[in-house]
Amino acid sequence: EPEVTQTPSHQVTQMGQEVILRCVPISNHLYFYWYRQILGQKVEFLVSFYNNEISEKSEIFDDQFSVERPDGSNFTLKIRSTKLEDSAMYFCASSVQKPGNTIYFGEGSWLTVV
Amino acid sequence: AQKITQTQPGMFVQEKEAVTLDCTYDTSDPSYGLFWYKQPSSGEMIFLIYQGSYDQQNATEGRYSLNFQKARKSANLVISASQLGDSAMYFCAMREGNPRIIFGKGTRLHILP
Repeated sequence: EPEVTQTPSHQVTQMGQEVILRCVPISNHLYFYWYRQILGQKVEFLVSFYNNEISEKSEIFDDQFSVERPDGSNFTLKIRSTKLEDSAMYFCASSVQKPGNTIYFGEGSWLTVV
Repeated sequence: AQKITQTQPGMFVQEKEAVTLDCTYDTSDPSYGLFWYKQPSSGEMIFLIYQGSYDQQNATEGRYSLNFQKARKSANLVISASQLGDSAMYFCAMREGNPRIIFGKGTRLHILP
């Protein structure tokens, strides 16, 4: 069964460093998303991406965040200068269409900022 | 205001019993979708079931069914014949007209042997 894959599964980084989280969405999907989940809290939407541009972003997705689809398969989330409060599980997700009836999530990348 | 409300932070259920996890939602959009996701201790988010606002019948997927009561704006998840592996966090979520989905705070389900 096709799945969304994410790397790394866990990353520890120093505050102020740049981090890139990578995702390979399901191959025939057209919409891509990043969500995050701070430990013990609910899952929060960050950004959605379609047709090589951001289609929607939340108030969390400020100037330190950026997304990119550098080639036909990868979808990346970059955090330019990490802060302690960026420590969270970051989920990539994809769906076939808007409004897609199912959004499939990757297994997550756990980011720890120290 | 909360878009998705899950009133049960935690539940304990005996193995093999049926479980109902509550979810109410708030939207003025006539077109929306409702999801349930399972998050085991490993942290991944596993899609369980989807209900569209115009679907005439309640969604079912194996042991999972969604009790969709549109007038009451509720979308409870029913798990029949619970198993130990069902122990996890369960999130109700909603998608309105835009691509994002909004999650509730979750219900932690514990299945007792």
